[in-house]
Amino acid sequence: GAGVSQSPSNKVTEKGKDVELRCDPISGHTALYWYRQSLGQGLEFLIYFQGNSAPDKSGLPSDRFSAERTGGSVSTLTIQRTQQEDSAVYLCASSLAGSVDRGYEQYFGPGTRLTVT
Amino acid sequence: KNEVEQSPQNLTAQEGEFITINCSYSVGISALHWLQQHPGGGIVSLFMLSSGKKKHGRLIATINIQEKHSSLHITASHPRDSAVYICVISRPTGNQFYFGTGTSLTVIP
Repeated sequence: GAGVSQSPSNKVTEKGKDVELRCDPISGHTALYWYRQSLGQGLEFLIYFQGNSAPDKSGLPSDRFSAERTGGSVSTLTIQRTQQEDSAVYLCASSLAGSVDRGYEQYFGPGTRLTVT
Repeated sequence: KNEVEQSPQNLTAQEGEFITINCSYSVGISALHWLQQHPGGGIVSLFMLSSGKKKHGRLIATINIQEKHSSLHITASHPRDSAVYICVISRPTGNQFYFGTGTSLTVIP
């Protein structure tokens, strides 16, 4: 079946512009996660959705970052007034239900490579 | 101090060797994940553990909750196992995740 998809796969934007990244989780997966990986760095957790609500937003690096999820499916991650340090690969994952301690594996999308010039 | 420590950072092995990657953590957890990131960047979730041991094919993951330690073993290693292996813990509350820095594995034919 279809996996997690993300769009666009690559995005180059000028500093100061807003960008919107999209994630389509696996159908039926109620949990959705956003991570980012900066060049040469490890994975950084950003935010987690259970259904349409985000119990924990503390991983978002600044108030320029926001995320929403509608209909318990598609999620968008928006970065306002982009900065060069926002350049990274943004990864989305989904899992069948609940938080990770309930035994559900996360399935990762291919990522969106964002470059801020 | 990083909540999650992985060792070794880099590992080179000959094809067929038995490989062990270690992960130690310093806080209470609800679960521990092992992720595999291929050179192209794609990430696969290998295991999620809260106790004991799990096995998928040539991969085995163990966790000792009392010692706050997990190991990922690869038996009969193969060049296609070459990847970065990342240990991730989740806390009991708040769905916070903490990532290890990864272990870069290269298996030589």
